[in-house]
Parts: sequence; C-alpha cells; structure tokens
Amino acid sequence: QSVLTQPPSASGTPGQRVTISCSGSSSNIGSDTVKWYQQFPGTAPRLLIHSNNQRPSGVPDRFSGSKSGTSASLAISGLQSEDEADYYCAAWDDSLSGWVFGGGTKLTVL
Amino acid sequence: QVQLVQSGAEVKKPGASVKVSCKASGYTFTSHYMHWVRQAPGQGLEWMGIINCGSGGTSYTQRFQGRVSMTSDTSTSTVYMELSSLRFDDTAVYYCARLVGAHPLSYFDYWGQGTPVTVSS
Repeated sequence: QSVLTQPPSASGTPGQRVTISCSGSSSNIGSDTVKWYQQFPGTAPRLLIHSNNQRPSGVPDRFSGSKSGTSASLAISGLQSEDEADYYCAAWDDSLSGWVFGGGTKLTVL
Repeated sequence: QVQLVQSGAEVKKPGASVKVSCKASGYTFTSHYMHWVRQAPGQGLEWMGIINCGSGGTSYTQRFQGRVSMTSDTSTSTVYMELSSLRFDDTAVYYCARLVGAHPLSYFDYWGQGTPVTVSS
C-alpha cells in the first residue's frame, strides 16, 4: 500500500491529452513539492517534473505538472506512442521522515 | 557528465547478505546526498534510506532498520548499500539516486542503472 495514491492505469490515443493524479496528505504533498518520474520497462526512473511544475532540460514541454493542496497531477498533451511507460509521483513525508512514492500509473497509448 | 554506475546482478540465499556499490563521477561527490530505492518485480518504488556522501551520516527507513547499512568511500567516490538477513521478498532491483536541492525543492536527478538482487534457495 503506497503512501501516495495514483490510479494503476491510464490510456489515451495519439494526440490526446491525459492526466495522472497523485493524492497524498498534509505530511507529504501538503508540505513538500511534488516530483514525477517516468520509467520504461527494464530501465531506471527518469526525472520528468520537479518542484511541482519544473521540467529538467530535455523533457518536452508536452509534460506539465501541477499541485493543489494535498494532490498533484501530471498532464501529457499531444500524446505519443513513446510516452507509453510507468509514471510515479514522489514527495518527502514529514511524519515518516522519509521519501514516499505513488504506486505508479501504467500509461497505455492506444 | 554525471554518471552513477552500479555493481552487477547478485544471487543470494536466504539469510545471507548482499553489498551493492554505486560509483559516482562527473560532479563533486562529497557535495551531495545519495539515496537507495528498490523495486520488487512488477511493483512500485520503495525508498530505503540516505547517506551524506561527505560525512557518511545516514538515515534509514524504519522498515530496514537493523538490516541495512550504507557507507561512503570518498577516495573512490563510491557508496555502498549492504542488506543483511536476506528474505525472499528482498528480491528486487536496487537503485542509487543522487539528491539535489534543499527541502522542499529537493529531488532525485540522476539514477544508477539498477542492480538486480535475487534471493533464492
């Protein structure tokens, strides 16, 4: 049972916009910024979004993040087949004194 | 460029210990914290703990307290994660990840390639 809650799956067709939600509490998302990671099978996670909505260099602007209260969202616009991957949200948890992750959302491009 | 290169796959018996290394390059090793995260087959990411690469100070999540030890060798820019009393459910890919920034703006920016550890009798 992950501390942060994500839907297990999401899907969309090429060109569509999809969003992935991440729900937490006041001790994690409510008091930290949210990060998003993308992971392809058999590879290490890759940083997609940090500080709620900041993209590292090299991440397409099709990816965007937002946060409101104790929830966050990752939006992918202009969906492409290469976006098919697992997506994880993460934050520091003050109560647990540790980093917590969402359970991951498997994105399928139909 | 920043690189984190981990040691190779391991197969261990229950009750044994495993030590995974993570060699850093391309930045000032002692200026950052390194974290360890694991991922069981088909499962999500699980944070294990953190080490200050300069001072060697550590903090572990309660689940692994007493079983995990993280160390830092500044002479070789390498961090190590040792997990003892291995159980079948310790079978996972173990990642090191560099932390940048200060709370609440910190995040893992670079990850090692992962080290598969299989616990099997």
